[in-house]
Amino acid sequence: QSVLTQPPSVSAAPGQKVTISCSGSSSNIGNNYVSWYQQLPGTAPKLLIYDNNKRPSGIPDRFSGSKSGTSATLGITGLQTGDEADYYCGTWDSSLRRVFGGGTKLTVL
Amino acid sequence: QVQLQESGPGLVKPSQTLSLTCTVSGGSISSGGYYWSWIRQHPGKGLEWIGYIYYSGSTYYNPSLKSRVTISVDTSKNQFSLKLSSVTAADTAVYYCARDQQGGSGFDYWGQGTLVTVSS
Repeated sequence: QSVLTQPPSVSAAPGQKVTISCSGSSSNIGNNYVSWYQQLPGTAPKLLIYDNNKRPSGIPDRFSGSKSGTSATLGITGLQTGDEADYYCGTWDSSLRRVFGGGTKLTVL
Repeated sequence: QVQLQESGPGLVKPSQTLSLTCTVSGGSISSGGYYWSWIRQHPGKGLEWIGYIYYSGSTYYNPSLKSRVTISVDTSKNQFSLKLSSVTAADTAVYYCARDQQGGSGFDYWGQGTLVTVSS
């Protein structure tokens, strides 16, 4: 059972927009930065968003992040077939433990 | 460009100790500002953080694994290592090493991962 809650799957058509939610509590998301990771099949996770809404160099602005209270959201616009992957949110909790969501599988129909 | 590479046995017998090393290139562990973490992923499952070490040697472990985990650092070799004792089949997973930014800004660099199978 993951500390952070994500929907198991989301889907959308190419070119459309999708959002992935990540729900936590005041002991984790509510008081700490959230990061998001993309894991393409058979590869290591890759940092997509850090500090709730910042993109590392090289990450296209089609990817965005936001946080409100104890929840965070990843948005992806202009969906491409290459975006099909598992997406994870992460943060840390009041005991300094790093925690992740259970992951969301994105299907681009 | 920072790169991390895991190495170690891909097969470990039950009750034995799993040992992995992460070699860091393109940056120095001793430079500070980062925690060096181990994360695992059971087959078909999500990510589980195991613990981290700072270059000074200070560590923090996931409470769920704390009794079995030891993470150490060798700054002269620019490596950090994981030992997980008394393994069972439930420890079969892909193990990743990753760099964790201080301030909680996420894991910005990851190794490719190594599959460790626990089986007799």
